[in-house]
Amino acid sequence: EIVMTQSPATLSVSPGKRATLSCRASQSVSSSLAWYQQKPGQAPRLLIYGASTRATGIPARFSGSGSGTEFTLTINSLQSEDFAVYYCQQYNAWPPSWTFGQGTKVEIK
Amino acid sequence: QVQLVESGGGLVKPGGSLRLSCLASGFTFGDFFMSWIRQAPGKGLEWVSYISSGGSTIYYADSVKGRFTISRDNANNSLHLQMNSLRAEDTAVYYCARDYGYFELWGRGTLVAVSS
Repeated sequence: EIVMTQSPATLSVSPGKRATLSCRASQSVSSSLAWYQQKPGQAPRLLIYGASTRATGIPARFSGSGSGTEFTLTINSLQSEDFAVYYCQQYNAWPPSWTFGQGTKVEIK
Repeated sequence: QVQLVESGGGLVKPGGSLRLSCLASGFTFGDFFMSWIRQAPGKGLEWVSYISSGGSTIYYADSVKGRFTISRDNANNSLHLQMNSLRAEDTAVYYCARDYGYFELWGRGTLVAVSS
């Protein structure tokens, strides 16, 4: 099983500043990496797939980068609605054994 | 509009069974691979099971293999998860999602609680 490790567990950021979230895979997943945002009581929402492609309707302040085992989600100019938990997920393994990171909570500083 | 709506969750005793359903609308359900993903209270996300668009290819996470069965009815735009021999550790919100490897459309989830 490919283990996904996110850091930090919690990130305190002031509104208007930049947040940088990391995700590491235990083995290469190429660019088969997605990022999700989840707010309390809601389902996750897809932000990024293919490591760097924004999903439909996702603002340009969200960007993804990386390949292989190291990935980054950057949120520029944090808005109030961006404070949430963020998960990375690999989908490189076949047969499907999709795995998620444990999440990074972005909170207001 | 394009949406997925789960149902069938509830409280069940250990060893019991439950059948979840996911009703799709607003798109051609039979064109899409689907998965179930779960989230234990206060925890992260865990992929549970995958089914191909026609239903011929199915995979399960090791944690549910032999106990859960995924199926679909494309004529009625529905996805199902039959859960048997339920354990306390199966307690979670269960989501259905369109599967491209990544999950680009999610339902709102249905809560399954396994407790005596």
